Amino acid sequence: QQQVKQSPQSLIVQKGGISIINCAYENTAFDYFPWYQQFPGKGPALLIAIRPDVSEKKEGRFTISFNKSAKQFSLHIMDSQPGDSATYFCAASKGGTSGTYKYIFGTGTRLKVLA
Amino acid sequence: KAGVTQTPRYLIKTRGQQVTLSCSPISGHRSVSWYQQTPGQGLQFLFEYFSETQRNKGNFPGRFSGRQFSNSRSEMNVSTLELGDSALYLCASSLGTREYQETQYFGPGTRLLVL
Repeated sequence: QQQVKQSPQSLIVQKGGISIINCAYENTAFDYFPWYQQFPGKGPALLIAIRPDVSEKKEGRFTISFNKSAKQFSLHIMDSQPGDSATYFCAASKGGTSGTYKYIFGTGTRLKVLA
Repeated sequence: KAGVTQTPRYLIKTRGQQVTLSCSPISGHRSVSWYQQTPGQGLQFLFEYFSETQRNKGNFPGRFSGRQFSNSRSEMNVSTLELGDSALYLCASSLGTREYQETQYFGPGTRLLVL
């Protein structure tokens, strides 16, 4: 119930294309879904996050789509650039004081954008 | 503001030894979480400290322990090292208020190699 399943494991996209990474969760108590971007030698950095009361959130070229009934959410990178080449992690957590406050991460997607 | 810092950045140890890793959170952040990152398992939650108390714990053996000091700096200790402990250990800090979902800010990590 605590798992977050992420796919694909790796992704190769042409410059200007759309990159799509999917995640699925099981625990309906999760109420916060961030995406992190990690470059080699660096720690993960927050990219964009969504709460389940909205179905979509867009920030620049990055969009999260959220399907509460299917317990799935995805990251779309529009107009993908070589500088977007990194590993992307989805995560889920539950805020508040219930005692379950921690991030559960997906296993990561290594994205390579070809110039 | 300075980001999350971790020391050392790299460590080589042999089986059976113990190791201590250090994390300095962002100024004003009172919560420090530790994660183990491996290629096969992704990021796995170790524990979270808030106000010098362990507030949350993942599913790791007792060889993994931590503590937090009054200035919010945290240390993680691994005793009786095993080959499988080779990983990137990430520290993340956040405000820790738990009133709502908080962004976790990650450090660059400590890469531990156990021979």
